[in-house]
Amino acid sequence: DAGITQSPRHKVTETGTPVTLRCHQTENHRYMYWYRQDPGHGLRLIHYSYGVKDTDKGEVSDGYSVSRSKTEDFLLTLESATSSQTSVYFCATLVGNTGELFFGEGSRLTVL
Amino acid sequence: AQKVTQAQTEISVVEKEDVTLDCVYETRDTTYYLFWYKQPPSGELVFLIRRNSFDEQNEISGRYSWNFQKSTSSFNFTITASQVVDSAVYFCALSPTNAGKSTFGDGTTLTVKP
Repeated sequence: DAGITQSPRHKVTETGTPVTLRCHQTENHRYMYWYRQDPGHGLRLIHYSYGVKDTDKGEVSDGYSVSRSKTEDFLLTLESATSSQTSVYFCATLVGNTGELFFGEGSRLTVL
Repeated sequence: AQKVTQAQTEISVVEKEDVTLDCVYETRDTTYYLFWYKQPPSGELVFLIRRNSFDEQNEISGRYSWNFQKSTSSFNFTITASQVVDSAVYFCALSPTNAGKSTFGDGTTLTVKP
């Protein structure tokens, strides 16, 4: 069990407000990822981290920023939320060295 | 660029039928990894299997089997004697390395009716 906790699990906010989603892991995994899941689009990588303060962009990074000041926490920030960012956000860690991902339970964000 | 295509958006079968979920991928890498994940109605994502590009051996795990064919860039998933509990969204994914930057297909929603 990779021990991932995402918070909040559900959030409703208004357009233009900042939002931060938190991913907390307890297994000291080096790699962490943020994906978003939308109907008809599967999962798309937003940002990922390969260590403390080491992050990089994924496929759909526009409008998002991340930070990783500690191994266990990976934060995803929407500086000014838009309705197109309504989605389910999944955090994941890399298990071992075989590329498989262990996912958190997801955070459902609704931007009105 | 990598791409994963799951052409079947939805599949509906009756319990005990066999069902195959198709996955076709595109990559220019010679080394890559393929995965299948399951997302049941409860919403969590669960890893099912991993294959690397050097291992074309098919695999069977209980009622599940996977057919990897590099010649056709396919990594298909078959459920034998399907059960209602198999109802879920199934995602195929591709990664160029073992570092987890996976590209996912759009998923196939499988409904198994009693």
